[in-house]
Amino acid sequence: ETGVTQTPRHLVMGMTNKKSLKCEQHLGHNAMYWYKQSAKKPLELMFVYSLEERVENNSVPSRFSPECPNSSHLFLHLHTLQPEDSALYLCASSQEPSGGRDEQFFGPGTRLTVL
Amino acid sequence: TQLLEQSPQFLSIQEGENLTVYCNSSSVFSSLQWYRQEPGEGPVLLVTVVTGGEVKKLKRLTFQFGDARKDSSLHITAAQPGDTGLYLCAGAGAGSYQLTFGKGTKLSVIP
Repeated sequence: ETGVTQTPRHLVMGMTNKKSLKCEQHLGHNAMYWYKQSAKKPLELMFVYSLEERVENNSVPSRFSPECPNSSHLFLHLHTLQPEDSALYLCASSQEPSGGRDEQFFGPGTRLTVL
Repeated sequence: TQLLEQSPQFLSIQEGENLTVYCNSSSVFSSLQWYRQEPGEGPVLLVTVVTGGEVKKLKRLTFQFGDARKDSSLHITAAQPGDTGLYLCAGAGAGSYQLTFGKGTKLSVIP
């Protein structure tokens, strides 16, 4: 238990569906992240939030829409996804948005399958 | 674009054996981290190295950061089945929010 929870743990959706992934951190951290982990590819950073403001967006398609209503919660809204978007989506948090200077604590991930 | 190459990609060894995993890049990193990820879980940080030539030990695990801060190695002595998992290295650039991850080394330790 790292103090970062993600729901759902597994999600299967069609290309026309709309769904949301939820992340909650109980560590009092100021920064939260979304990563994508695909088979045979390195972990890819998607979004970084610092105190509810987006500070980095790594050229992610608009069918992925993040939301950070407060420093403890992070959402990833999904719509009209493609089969190649199937992956493990990981949420992480750290004290500050500092890349490698602060330890990032990861949630268990949501395994997403797009049919 | 910063890239981190990890080798080997897969490693299957008997309990009690020693092993080394490598993480190499042509880029310089301000710090480098090693994570272990078990099936169904997110990565968990093992160590952060920040100084060229630095060596850190964590029980049976020894981590080394290259003098030029472009490469790192993880050595496990007398591997145990509990060491099984995906080992990821990740490098941080100066002044960046982003960690560059390698593809990982999948280790299986057979009892």
